[in-house]
Amino acid sequence: DVKVTQSSRYLVKRTGEKVFLECVQDMDHENMFWYRQDPGLGLRLIYFSYDVKMKEKGDIPEGYSVSREKKERFSLILESASTNQTSMYLCASSFQPRIYEQYFGPGTRLTVT
Amino acid sequence: DQQVKQNSPSLSVQEGRISILNCDYTNSMFDYFLWYKKYPAEGPTFLISISSIKDKNEDGRFTVFLNKSAKHLSLHIVPSQPGDSAVYFCAATRSGNTGKLIFGQGTTLQVKP
Repeated sequence: DVKVTQSSRYLVKRTGEKVFLECVQDMDHENMFWYRQDPGLGLRLIYFSYDVKMKEKGDIPEGYSVSREKKERFSLILESASTNQTSMYLCASSFQPRIYEQYFGPGTRLTVT
Repeated sequence: DQQVKQNSPSLSVQEGRISILNCDYTNSMFDYFLWYKKYPAEGPTFLISISSIKDKNEDGRFTVFLNKSAKHLSLHIVPSQPGDSAVYFCAATRSGNTGKLIFGQGTTLQVKP
């Protein structure tokens, strides 16, 4: 069974703080993704990576950056957290060629106050 | 602008009956479509997919129908079971687009015993 784990289930941070969200997958997947889920908006892609040290912007990359130093780990960084980044953050991974059948972690509920 | 829309936020059906979840898209370049299911406190899980070269794909109790001319897809669950109660997201993509999925807002299905 594929397992995607996220470092925290719940996180509360203050405005302006630097925030790190960590994601680890154990199935040697090439592709990893970060989404945020908001009511009425569904899931929106922030960044994705199809190889170590590679990254691509998704639909809403502003205010975020990512790091992928090892194949199994994909980090999402909020350089200076703002209240509009309060959301559920979901990490996913997939392998070629079934790149669209993504395996998701349980999510991190981030609240920025 | 929402390229993938699920216009029904919620749906309630009786156990044993058919559940029909609908999804509309606006981008005619989309050629691959997926449905994901999400239980509370868990990440989404892949359910079923369909390529634009088909108009129907079936997997057990789940069938996805695609109407390209109407830019519409639907997920049929027959018979519905209480364990099917979850949020269902449809997603669309252009194949070869490095895994970038566009998700709808989600429909919450409640199956009553």
